[in-house]
Order: sequence, then C-alpha cells, then structure tokens
Amino acid sequence: AQTVTQSQPEMSVQEAETVTLSCTYDTSESDYYLFWYKQPPSRQMILVIRQEAYKQQNATENRFSVNFQKAAKSFSLKISDSQLGDAAMYFCAYNLNNAGNMLTFGGGTRLMVKP
Amino acid sequence: ETGVTQTPRHLVMGMTNKKSLKCEQHLGHNAMYWYKQSAKKPLELMFVYNFKEQTENNSVPSRFSPECPNSSHLFLHLHTLQPEDSALYLCASSKQGTGSYEQYFGPGTRLTVT
Repeated sequence: AQTVTQSQPEMSVQEAETVTLSCTYDTSESDYYLFWYKQPPSRQMILVIRQEAYKQQNATENRFSVNFQKAAKSFSLKISDSQLGDAAMYFCAYNLNNAGNMLTFGGGTRLMVKP
Repeated sequence: ETGVTQTPRHLVMGMTNKKSLKCEQHLGHNAMYWYKQSAKKPLELMFVYNFKEQTENNSVPSRFSPECPNSSHLFLHLHTLQPEDSALYLCASSKQGTGSYEQYFGPGTRLTVT
C-alpha cells in the first residue's frame, strides 16, 4: 500500500520569504502522479500543483514549485515570496496512474505567514 | 468557489436523527467522492462513484449511506450517528480517462453530532 508522509505538522514563514514543505511517499510503482493541495481556513481544498512521475522537470506554478526526487521518493513544495493568503493547510497526495480514483493524502502541514 | 458545491455547510444533529448531505458538481466530471476529515487525521476516503456506480467503500459503517443518482449529484444519508462521526465531510469530483485524476473539492459540510 502506498503511504504519504508529511513530517512537518506546522511551519511558519515571514511574509515575502521562501518556505519549503516536505513530503515523502512510499511506492513500488514507477508511473504515478503527485499533487499539492491547499486548504485555507475557509475549508475549500484547492489544487496547487501537479507532477507526473515520468517527467524529470520539476513543475512550477507562479510562486509555487516542487523539488521532485524520484529515487528518494521525495516531493517538496517551495513557496517563494510568501503572502498572507498562503496561510493554510497543505496536503501532499499521490495517485497511481490509471488506478482510477485512489488518491492517498499525507497528514498535512499547517503554514503560518507572519506579516 | 470551485465547481463543486455542498449543502448544508453546517449541520448539527442528534444521534437519533436522519439527515442527508448533498453535493453537486458543475464540471462535467464523471467520478465523485466522499471524504471524512477529522482533526489531526489524514483525509479518509469513504466512497467513490464512477459513472454513478459505487466502486469503493472503505469499510464505512452502515450508518453512512451514499447515493449517486447521476454523474452530477452525490448524497450522503446519515442515520443513528455517533459523536465520533463529528467531522468535516468533503465531496470531490474528477474526470476519469484524463490520466492524472486530479480531484476538485467542495467547501465541505461541518457535521456535529450531539
């Protein structure tokens, strides 16, 4: 069974600084997808970024980028120029390609942004 | 707001009540999901529907009963719940056949069982 681990229950960052959230996963598969989701205090879970395991290039979305290390099974999220609106719970998730609907989530990291 | 809506947003019910949660997606997706989110626990997948057919039931107690009348609507019928069932219930949807199966979530229903 796949597992996703987020070892940092809470992180804080100064506004305009950069922060990195960690995620590791355990799988014996080679073709899969990884996601970072954001859940602000309003509770709407929003997809932040997606990475295909077969791509070597790290995904980026504006201020959000990932460091995907397939051999190490590591998938960290970097947030640059942090903004107050980035404060939220962040969840890392794994989905085996063509396995249909099984998203496996990590336990989440609460990010606080200090003004 | 995403294209997934949930009602009600908040619900307080007694252990003997019967209530239903509703989810609707406006994204043209064909798979829908119910998750339970409790404090300090990872999201727990409860049920999955593909093209209106239930494909996953993760050992959920029978006091939770899902219903998917079409690809756009999903219900979770609740009866004789326990206080430990108090949680945030999230609905999600996705488009099968696109490969990545990324899911889009609703705002959730905050359920309190008294």
